[in-house]
Amino acid sequence: GEDVEQSLFLSVREGDSSVINCTYTDSSSTYLYWYKQEPGAGLQLLTYIFSNMDMKQDQRLTVLLNKKDKHLSLRIADTQTGDSAIYFCAESTGAGSYQLTFGKGTKLSVIP
Amino acid sequence: ETGVTQSPTHLIKTRGQQVTLRCSSQSGHNTVSWYQQALGQGPQFIFQYYREEENGRGNFPPRFSGLQFPNYSSELNVNALELDDSALYLCASSLRLGEGTEAFFGQGTRLTVV
Repeated sequence: GEDVEQSLFLSVREGDSSVINCTYTDSSSTYLYWYKQEPGAGLQLLTYIFSNMDMKQDQRLTVLLNKKDKHLSLRIADTQTGDSAIYFCAESTGAGSYQLTFGKGTKLSVIP
Repeated sequence: ETGVTQSPTHLIKTRGQQVTLRCSSQSGHNTVSWYQQALGQGPQFIFQYYREEENGRGNFPPRFSGLQFPNYSSELNVNALELDDSALYLCASSLRLGEGTEAFFGQGTRLTVV
């Protein structure tokens, strides 16, 4: 079956690094994604990683993938108050279609 | 701004009624997907349309149906509304079909069923 799990809450101080973790179950997933959702808004794609990669860095964001353990993490360096939001991990499933299976989301609170 | 617009932004319906939600895709995008996001949950895939044909469906009953038009805009129809249908409905458009293709999400339609 398909299931994506995340811890529900994370609180960090402004300027510190945030690490949001995710586990997934579908070993056939070829792409894994991180989305951000601010209150009352839709989803914003932050980054994605192809399953044959271990790491991807994009400015303040670093994604680590451990395919053996089916573990994905998102590190946000120098976390700012504007980073406060809900972060969703998602895997793509369904051959030939862009069907995303999302976790329940991790609410990141940044303390000034 | 993603270029994906959804209407209406908010809607209140009575149990048993029918509702139509609309999505205007980003220009040039031929693929649209619909998701249901219940309060405190992640989005759940309802179905996807590619060039006016349904291309994949999640675990939703047949009273959830959709259409994609020649201009690639889309509708989500829900018949016989139930209280549990209350959720944020998100539309996402993609330039083409396939994994790794970025999906751009609209702001969503908040449906409340009373």
